[in-house]
Amino acid sequence: QQQVKQSPQSLIVQKGGIPIINCAYENTAFDYFPWYQQFPGKGPALLIAIRPDVSEKKEGRFTISFNKSAKQFSLHIMDSQPGDSATYFCAASLEYGNKLVFGAGTILRVKS
Amino acid sequence: DAGVTQSPTHLIKTRGQQVTLRCSPKSGHDTVSWYQQALGQGPQFIFQYYEEEERQRGNFPDRFSGHQFPNYSSELNVNALLLGDSALYLCASSLSMRNTEAFFGQGTRLTVV
Repeated sequence: QQQVKQSPQSLIVQKGGIPIINCAYENTAFDYFPWYQQFPGKGPALLIAIRPDVSEKKEGRFTISFNKSAKQFSLHIMDSQPGDSATYFCAASLEYGNKLVFGAGTILRVKS
Repeated sequence: DAGVTQSPTHLIKTRGQQVTLRCSPKSGHDTVSWYQQALGQGPQFIFQYYEEEERQRGNFPDRFSGHQFPNYSSELNVNALLLGDSALYLCASSLSMRNTEAFFGQGTRLTVV
């Protein structure tokens, strides 16, 4: 019940494309859903996060779509660039205590 | 703002040895969490420290222990190292236990041989 399942495992898109990464969770007590971006040799960097009281959140070229009834959320990257090539992780946590449960990650490659 | 800083960046240890990793949280943050990230996997929560006490713990054996100091910095100790302990160890800090936004350091790459 603590798992977060992420797909796809890897993704290749052309520059300007819109990669979509999906995550599903089981624990309905989760209250916070962040996305992290990680480059090789670096720690994860917070990209954008959403709470279950909204269905969509946009920050720059990054959009989270959230479907509470389906217990799913996804990351869309608009106008993707080669510099977006990285590993992306979804995560979830309870309201209090910020213990993050991470998905397995998606390796994104944006071809120029 | 220096962000979350971890030391050392890389470490090689022999099976059976003990290791200590260090973390300084982002300025103003008082809560520190540690994660283990095996190659090709997502980070796994080890434990969290707040007010110098362990507040939450993930599914890790007692060989993994920690400490938080009055200046909020933290240490992760691993005893009796196993080959399977080889991983990237990440420290994350947040404003408080009630604040869900966590900022990660660059990690310490531990290799056990």
